[in-house]
Amino acid sequence: AQSVTQLDSHVSVSEGTPVLLRCNYSSSYSPSLFWYVQHPNKGLQLLLKYTSAATLVKGINGFEAEFKKSETSFHLTKPSAHMSDAAEYFCVVSAPNTNAGKSTFGDGTTLTVKP
Amino acid sequence: DTEVTQTPKHLVMGMTNKKSLKCEQHMGHRAMYWYKQKAKKPPELMFVYSYEKLSINESVPSRFSPECPNSSLLNLHLHALQPEDSALYLCASSQDGGEGYGYTFGSGTRLTVV
Repeated sequence: AQSVTQLDSHVSVSEGTPVLLRCNYSSSYSPSLFWYVQHPNKGLQLLLKYTSAATLVKGINGFEAEFKKSETSFHLTKPSAHMSDAAEYFCVVSAPNTNAGKSTFGDGTTLTVKP
Repeated sequence: DTEVTQTPKHLVMGMTNKKSLKCEQHMGHRAMYWYKQKAKKPPELMFVYSYEKLSINESVPSRFSPECPNSSLLNLHLHALQPEDSALYLCASSQDGGEGYGYTFGSGTRLTVV
C-alpha cells in the first residue's frame, strides 16, 4: 500500500524568494518518488525523480528535492522563484519496476508567484 | 523524439456522438496510459496498456473503449458520453520496467460533452 500527502494546497511566494512545496509519503516498499509540474491547460511535465540513488535530486528549472526516509518526506525546493514557476505541482509515489498502474498522485499544490 | 503527441487538443461532442482521442509516442516506451483529470484535481487512472495488452481497467464505464493498435499508438474511443465526462484526458507513457522511471505525458485533449 502507498499514499502521498501534499501538505499545502496553496503556496504563495514573491518573485526571487525561495520556494518550498512539502510532500510526505507512505509506502510498504522502497518507493520511487516524483515531482511533476502542470501549467494551465497543459499536460504534466516531470521535474525530477528519486529512484534509490542519491537522496538529493536535482531537476529541471533549478528545482531540487531531498528524499528523507526517516521523515518519509520528499519536499521540493527552489532557491529563487520566477514568475514562470506559477503552476500546479504534483508529488507522486510509485512502486518501482512495474507497469501495474501503481502510481499514487498527491492532491496537488498551487504555486502563486507575486511580482 | 521525447514527446507524447495527443490529438485533437480540443473536442466538443454531443451525447449521441462517437469520437476518438489519439495518442502517439516514438520513444520505445512499452507502457501507455489514459488518465482523466477534472479541474483542480490530480489525474485519475483509467487504463494501462503494457506491451500492447490491456493490463488495467479502473472500472471505467463501457462508453470509454481503449485500443492499442501498436507499440506507438493508443486510442480512446468515446460513445454516448455524459456531460460529467467533460475533462482533460491525458495520455502518458513509461519505459520498460514501468512507472519507477516516471511518465512522459502528452498535453491532453480538453473534452466538452454537450
